[in-house]
Amino acid sequence: DIQMTQSPSSLSASEGDRVTITCRASQSITSYLNWYQQKPGKAPKLLIYAASSLQSGVPSRFSGSGSGTDFTLTISSLQPEDFATYYCQQSYSTPWAFGQGTKVEIK
Amino acid sequence: QVQLQESGPGLVKPSETLSLTCTVSGGSISSYYWSWIRQPPGKGLEWIGYIYYSGSTSYNPSLKSRVAISVDTSKNQFSLRLSSVTAADTAVYYCARVRHGYGYSYYFDYWGQGTLVTVSS
Repeated sequence: DIQMTQSPSSLSASEGDRVTITCRASQSITSYLNWYQQKPGKAPKLLIYAASSLQSGVPSRFSGSGSGTDFTLTISSLQPEDFATYYCQQSYSTPWAFGQGTKVEIK
Repeated sequence: QVQLQESGPGLVKPSETLSLTCTVSGGSISSYYWSWIRQPPGKGLEWIGYIYYSGSTSYNPSLKSRVAISVDTSKNQFSLRLSSVTAADTAVYYCARVRHGYGYSYYFDYWGQGTLVTVSS
């Protein structure tokens, strides 16, 4: 099974900051990597699919990059509504797996 | 706008079977994969399995011996059964639509609101 590891597990940032979250796969998953945002008590929301494709309706301050085993989610200018937990997910092979999550908190 | 809604008992006794149904509205269940995902309280997300509208399935090996996902295209619903539950199965259970891009690109583009299932006597 492919293991997904996110770093950091949590971070504190201020509005307007540039934020970067990393996701590492235990083996190459080429570009089959997705990112989700989850707010407390809510279902996850798709942000990025196939490593770098922005889901329709998602603000352009969100971007994804990477291939192989190392991937990055970047928020170019953190907004109040972006404080949430972010998960990566691989679909290269079953069982599809999520990272453990990165909680973005207000500094 | 596609909407998904989970339904089923919120409390299940240990050793019994958890049964949930996801009703899809605003779109057809045909031509898509559909998935169940769960999240224990305060923890991360775990993929349970998926079903294609035609009935083919794939399950997480960690649950494979206890899980079954079925589809009823006439009702635009798919369902989850998880047998021999324990307290470790207490979680919020989400249903989701799986969008297939190119190659092995699969992603969850629509989610239900989730339903908390507690395993307790």
